[in-house]
Amino acid sequence: GDSVTQMEGPVTLSEEAFLTINCTYTATGYPSLFWYVQYPGEGLQLLLKATKADDKGSNKGFEATYRKETTSFHLEKGSVQVSDSAVYFCALSGGASGTYKYIFGTGTRLKVLA
Amino acid sequence: DAGITQSPRHKVTETGTPVTLRCHQTENHRYMYWYRQDPGHGLRLIHYSYGVKDTDKGEVSDGYSVSRSKTEDFLLTLESATSSQTSVYFCAITDPLRDYGYTFGSGTRLTVV
Repeated sequence: GDSVTQMEGPVTLSEEAFLTINCTYTATGYPSLFWYVQYPGEGLQLLLKATKADDKGSNKGFEATYRKETTSFHLEKGSVQVSDSAVYFCALSGGASGTYKYIFGTGTRLKVLA
Repeated sequence: DAGITQSPRHKVTETGTPVTLRCHQTENHRYMYWYRQDPGHGLRLIHYSYGVKDTDKGEVSDGYSVSRSKTEDFLLTLESATSSQTSVYFCAITDPLRDYGYTFGSGTRLTVV
């Protein structure tokens, strides 16, 4: 079945450091890929998405490129801020599980220190 | 977030009692979902609905039932709560005709003692 694998956290960075959170997936067909962010005590919010190979999703300084050849969708940001501290989830839809059911990774906690 | 609300936000209940969580949306979205979030597991799908009275099981549906009698409401019932059902429960909605992406509620933290 479909699956999403994220790097283990927590990831601790100093402010203005470069961020990479790895995400790889296994899916049949041509899934869409997503990154969601969860701040403490809140639900998940869509951060960015890509619906086909080589697409780059971007939002709030975060970027991720849909790489079909490596089945990856790594999240990057050039300069993190304390306010980016949150849990980040990689997800896919449209694989064997169907278009409207998402498969989520286990989440990666990011802590940014001032 | 605006458009989707969950109730209650917090609940403590005793083992063996039935519990119902409510998800209410004002977006008229067709698809609604119930997930549970647990450390080390991320989000796991419990049940989902693709229309009024149309529901299906997710990967962790045992011990849970759902109902959707109106477009705006999706109820999750724990028939006889167990300690393993202590979790944070999230409802989500989506409208595939508009754009991909879920909108999540703020969650219900359920503790079964």
